[in-house]
Amino acid sequence: QKEVEQNSGPLSVPEGAIASLNCTYSDRGSQSFFWYRQYSGKSPELIMFIYSNGDKEDGRFTAQLNKASQYVSLLIRDSQPSDSATYLCAVILIPTGTYKYIFGTGTRLKVLA
Amino acid sequence: DAGVTQSPTHLIKTRGQQVTLRCSPISGHKSVSWYQQVLGQGPQFIFQYYEKEERGRGNFPDRFSARQFPNYSSELNVNALLLGDSALYLCASSRDRETDTQYFGPGTRLTVL
Repeated sequence: QKEVEQNSGPLSVPEGAIASLNCTYSDRGSQSFFWYRQYSGKSPELIMFIYSNGDKEDGRFTAQLNKASQYVSLLIRDSQPSDSATYLCAVILIPTGTYKYIFGTGTRLKVLA
Repeated sequence: DAGVTQSPTHLIKTRGQQVTLRCSPISGHKSVSWYQQVLGQGPQFIFQYYEKEERGRGNFPDRFSARQFPNYSSELNVNALLLGDSALYLCASSRDRETDTQYFGPGTRLTVL
């Protein structure tokens, strides 16, 4: 089982719709959760992070964390063609005092104009 | 403020050679992490350095090594290059270890022939 799993997509949504991106993780010791956006040929850029159960909103983006079910999701409201990119979920593990920052393979989002 | 910088931008090497990649973190950031990203995959964690000490290591062979300097810049060294080492190498910095919100540099594209 992969430590962080995402559906590779592509996920296609019409402009103005809500895009829902999901991520599951295997280690209950996971402490911090991040969503990054990566355009083709570019490096990842941070969208938002979430540490506690529940929802966290930032503009058009909402991150949701459910530690009991071990999933984290990202909602993008009023999706725009410029949101078309790969969305990476990342999780921090600190097993035995060491540090690992684990990324999923990413979900490719296409917003159709 | 300047973001994370990496050099060189592109690099071509042949099998068996050695390569050194460089990274300068955002001013005030004490932690640097290195990642390898192959096409279609999420970044794979290689190392994290904080205050010049290795604080985390991913599942990479001993051919990969790194260090962090007193000014918090960092180098990643890869010895005995293999074709499979061809990838985008990303450096990310964070203010400290615990907050761990990472900001990525533009990456170094390494091609091994």
